[in-house]
Amino acid sequence: NAGVTQTPKFRVLKTGQSMTLLCAQDMNHEYMYWYRQDPGMGLRLIHYSVGEGTTAKGEVPDGYNVSRLKKQNFLLGLESAAPSQTSVYFCASSIRQDYGYTFGSGTRLTVV
Amino acid sequence: AQSVTQLGSHVSVSEGALVLLRCNYSSSVPPYLFWYVQYPNQGLQLLLKYTSAATLVKGINGFEAEFKKSETSFHLTKPSAHMSDAAEYFCAVSEGGFQKLVFGTGTRLLVSP
Repeated sequence: NAGVTQTPKFRVLKTGQSMTLLCAQDMNHEYMYWYRQDPGMGLRLIHYSVGEGTTAKGEVPDGYNVSRLKKQNFLLGLESAAPSQTSVYFCASSIRQDYGYTFGSGTRLTVV
Repeated sequence: AQSVTQLGSHVSVSEGALVLLRCNYSSSVPPYLFWYVQYPNQGLQLLLKYTSAATLVKGINGFEAEFKKSETSFHLTKPSAHMSDAAEYFCAVSEGGFQKLVFGTGTRLLVSP
């Protein structure tokens, strides 16, 4: 009963470095999402995917790329990290509109 | 685009007192609405949801919310607060297709003895 698993849980990057955050779900959900959470701003959608091989931009996509090569995995990449990308990143998945999301436990990223 | 307004970034109550967390959404069409709870250093958990069935929705941990179309509101209540209810609460509304949710900025509930 793993649900949604995010790795890593914590990471510190230097400005300009790159990294990939991994999200894996074992519920056979079609829809997957990446959000970032910042104090006083709630959760903002970065990118999302409606199925294997598809991705789309959300509200704040700049500086991020995503891939969904397998249905169960949704990867979030930062090509050249900036301090403004210091945040907590949450992955979520869903099966249909009235279902709501199942969230992962988050990745706390600090860019120095 | 949909938007969600949560009045009050912090709400303080005493243990045993009524909890009322406010949420208003912008939509001319009845949406799907959700409340999530986030405990420190954890992900978000679904508390309850409105999906066009009963307007009074009961969730986990004794919370409930009432959908009022005329007021475009979906306020969260609990008759008697417990210390364990201290957390951050997020209201969310579905937007368009693809099951996207738009979240409010959150309300931190503080419960004092």
